[in-house]
Amino acid sequence: TQLLEQSPQFLSIQEGENLTVYCNSSSVFSSLQWYRQEPGEGPVLLVTVVTGGEVKKLKRLTFQFGDARKDSSLHITAAQPGDTGLYLCADINFGNEKLTFGTGTRLTIIP
Amino acid sequence: EADIYQTPRYLVIGTGKKITLECSQTMGHDKMYWYQQDPGMELHLIHYSYGVNSTEKGDLSSESTVSRIRTEHFPLTLESARPSHTSQYLCASSEHGRNYGYTFGSGTRLTVV
Repeated sequence: TQLLEQSPQFLSIQEGENLTVYCNSSSVFSSLQWYRQEPGEGPVLLVTVVTGGEVKKLKRLTFQFGDARKDSSLHITAAQPGDTGLYLCADINFGNEKLTFGTGTRLTIIP
Repeated sequence: EADIYQTPRYLVIGTGKKITLECSQTMGHDKMYWYQQDPGMELHLIHYSYGVNSTEKGDLSSESTVSRIRTEHFPLTLESARPSHTSQYLCASSEHGRNYGYTFGSGTRLTVV
C-alpha cells in the first residue's frame, strides 16, 4: 500500500512570506496531483505532473516533481490570506485510476 | 459554478436512522467516487463506480452502500446510522485517464447523535 507523507502537517506564516510544503511517497508516483481544500468545501485540483523533474507554475505557486518521481514540492511566493487551506497531494493509480491522498498540510496565512 | 452537487450540506440525525446522501453530476463522467474525511484529515476512498451498474468498495471499510442506476447519480446510504459514522462525506467524479483530476462536490457533514 502506497503511503504519501506530507510535511509540515501545519504551517502558519505571515502574509507576504514564502513557503514550501512537501510530499513524499513510499513508491514511485504514477501521476501526481496537488489539490487545495478550503474549509467546508471539497478539494480543488491545482495541477497534475507526470514527468520526473517537471516544474509547473500557477501564478505564485510553483510545483516541482522529483527526478525519481517519489517526491514533490509546492512553493508559494508572497503568500496571501486567500492561500489558506488544506493542501493535499495525490497519486493516481496507473491501473485503476483511483486517487490516493496524502496526509495534508494545513496552511494558515496571517494578514 | 458547481458541476457536481451534494445534498444535504449538513445533517444531524439520531442513532439508528436510515439516511441517504445524494450526489449528482452534470458532466457525463462515467467514474464517480465517495470519500470520507474527518476534519482537517486526509481523504479515504470508501466506494467507487466506473459506470452504470458498477460499484466497488474502496480502501477504507465502510458500513455504507452505494448504487449507480444512472450515470449522473451516485447516492450513498447508511441503513442504521451510528455516532462512529460522524464525518464529512465527499463525492467526486472524473473522466478516464491519469491526467484528469477529480471534480469534488462541497460535501455532506454528517453528525450522528
